[in-house]
Parts: sequence; C-alpha cells; structure tokens
Amino acid sequence: QKEVEQNSGPLSVPEGAIASLNCTYSDRGSQSFFWYRQYSGKSPELIMSIYSNGDKEDGRFTAQLNKASQYVSLLIRDSQPSDSATYLCAVNTGGFKTIFGAGTRLFVKA
Amino acid sequence: SAVISQKPSRDICQRGTSLTIQCQVDSQVTMMFWYRQQPGQSLTLIATANQGSEATYESGFVIDKFPISRPNLTFSTLTVSNMSPEDSSIYLCSVEAGEETQYFGPGTRLLVL
Repeated sequence: QKEVEQNSGPLSVPEGAIASLNCTYSDRGSQSFFWYRQYSGKSPELIMSIYSNGDKEDGRFTAQLNKASQYVSLLIRDSQPSDSATYLCAVNTGGFKTIFGAGTRLFVKA
Repeated sequence: SAVISQKPSRDICQRGTSLTIQCQVDSQVTMMFWYRQQPGQSLTLIATANQGSEATYESGFVIDKFPISRPNLTFSTLTVSNMSPEDSSIYLCSVEAGEETQYFGPGTRLLVL
C-alpha cells in the first residue's frame, strides 16, 4: 500500500515566523511531488511542485525534497494569518496516479 | 492552469436517489479525475476518466455505483447512484495539466438524508 504521511497538526505559528510542514512517502520510485493549500470549505489549490532533490523557492514558499530519505517539506516564510489552511502533500507514484496525504492544519496567529 | 467548473455546487438528496455531477474545463485535457473528500479527511480517488475509453476505478469503487461519462476533452460527469447517507461528501473533479500536475474544480457538496 503506497502511503503519504503528514502530521495532522494543528501547527500554530505566530505571524512573521517560518512555518515548516513535513511529509514522508513510501514509494521510493516516486518522481513528482506537490503541495496543495486547502482553505476550509474550498477545493485544493496547487502552490508548489518539485521534481528533483534540493530546494525550490517561489516567493515566500520553499519546497524541499530528499528522495533518499523519502521526505518532502514546505517552508512558509513570514507567515501571515491568510496562510492559515490545511496543506496537503501529494506524491505521483507513476502514470497519472497521485496519492494525497491527510493534510496538516496550519494556524498563523496575528 | 485550467479553469474548472462543477455543477451543482451543493445538493441535498434523499436516500435511494441518484445525482449526476458535471465537470467542465476551459481547455482540452486528456485526463480527468474524480475524487471524494469526506469531512476532515484527505482526497480519495474514485476513478480516472480518459476521453474515448472506459473510466478506470480505484479499489472500493465500482461502475454501477459511480458511473462516469467522458464524451469529449472538456467535459465529464460522475453519477452517484442509489445514494445512502454514507455517500455524503464533497466530490471533486480535477484535470491533469502537464508534468503530472492536477488542478481541481470547486467541488460539489452532497448531503444524503
């Protein structure tokens, strides 16, 4: 059974701090990794994709991938109350099959 | 990215009835997907719909319960048949938009009484 694991949280950080969200996956052959943000009552919104080991930065967001450790993370710098949401880690395990983690709830306190 | 719409956005249905959910995309896409998301849970893939062929269902989902149509490259429907309260959920369609990236529609919130 291919799995994607996330800490459900909630993760609470003060405004302006760095939020660190983590994800591990079981399928060593996975090649594509994604972070989605989901506000309450809304559908998931893609915020980052990463395909190779290392860091990928986009504005306040940095995705980190370590395939040897089967680990993906998302860093949110200068966290804002508007970043409060559930963050879903998703892993493509081949073809068009993508497995989603259960999500980590993030609260950014003003 | 793709712009995706779903109809209806929400519905309340009686047990034993069926509901058809429509998903429309603003561009031609090869792969469309149907997911279910129950309250507080993550996304569960129901099936993958490729235009011109039968949908591929995930373990635990069957065509008789969740028939899917994919008549062209911009449209798909999912029917939830013979509904029970356990079918109450959010149903989401998504499309593959290159590099295995998926974009989601706004979802259909279904409550079965």
